[in-house]
Amino acid sequence: ELKVEQNPLFLSMQEGKNYTIYCNYSTTSDRLYWYRQDPGKSLESLFVLLSNGAVKQEGRLMASLDTKARLSTLHITAAVHDLSATYFCAVVPNSGYALNFGKGTSLLVTP
Amino acid sequence: EAQVTQNPRYLITVTGKKLTVTCSQNMNHEYMSWYRQDPGLGLRQIYYSMNVEVTDKGDVPEGYKVSRKEKRNFPLILESPSPNQTSLYFCASSFQDSYGYTFGSGTRLTVV
Repeated sequence: ELKVEQNPLFLSMQEGKNYTIYCNYSTTSDRLYWYRQDPGKSLESLFVLLSNGAVKQEGRLMASLDTKARLSTLHITAAVHDLSATYFCAVVPNSGYALNFGKGTSLLVTP
Repeated sequence: EAQVTQNPRYLITVTGKKLTVTCSQNMNHEYMSWYRQDPGLGLRQIYYSMNVEVTDKGDVPEGYKVSRKEKRNFPLILESPSPNQTSLYFCASSFQDSYGYTFGSGTRLTVV
């Protein structure tokens, strides 16, 4: 059974601080996705990572993928309140087509 | 505007009354999927489709049916809904999984 584990599940951080969310998965995959979900809203695609060593940045967020370690990270730089949301990683195994989600990291950025 | 459209957004129904949640995309995407989101359980895939007339079960297919007669539409059918199917449902589509999935706005279903 494919497992996708995110850490931490809950994160409260101060504005201006840096932090990293981790996503570990248990199968061979070089397709990993990060999504953002605001309360009561749909999922918004943040990053698509398709190869070992892939790194993508958008504003204060940077995502990376290490397929050998089966690990992706989402790094937050100088957090601002607008980043408060739930962040999901999702993996598609090389042997299949299903998008398998982690449980999500609920992020709260406080003044 | 490129989008995935789900209807209805909200639905309250009674146990056993057949219902259909529609999903349509205007991006000529090949892949389409249905997910349900439940507190503590996250997002789980119900069914997916790789193209017209090609569908397969996801992790939690019991109690659901789908069809893909046209590329743009992928309806989710609950033949006899039960209270444990109360959930938030999302439809998603993708051209190829290399591009990630675009999600619909969601359908909040309550079965009483």
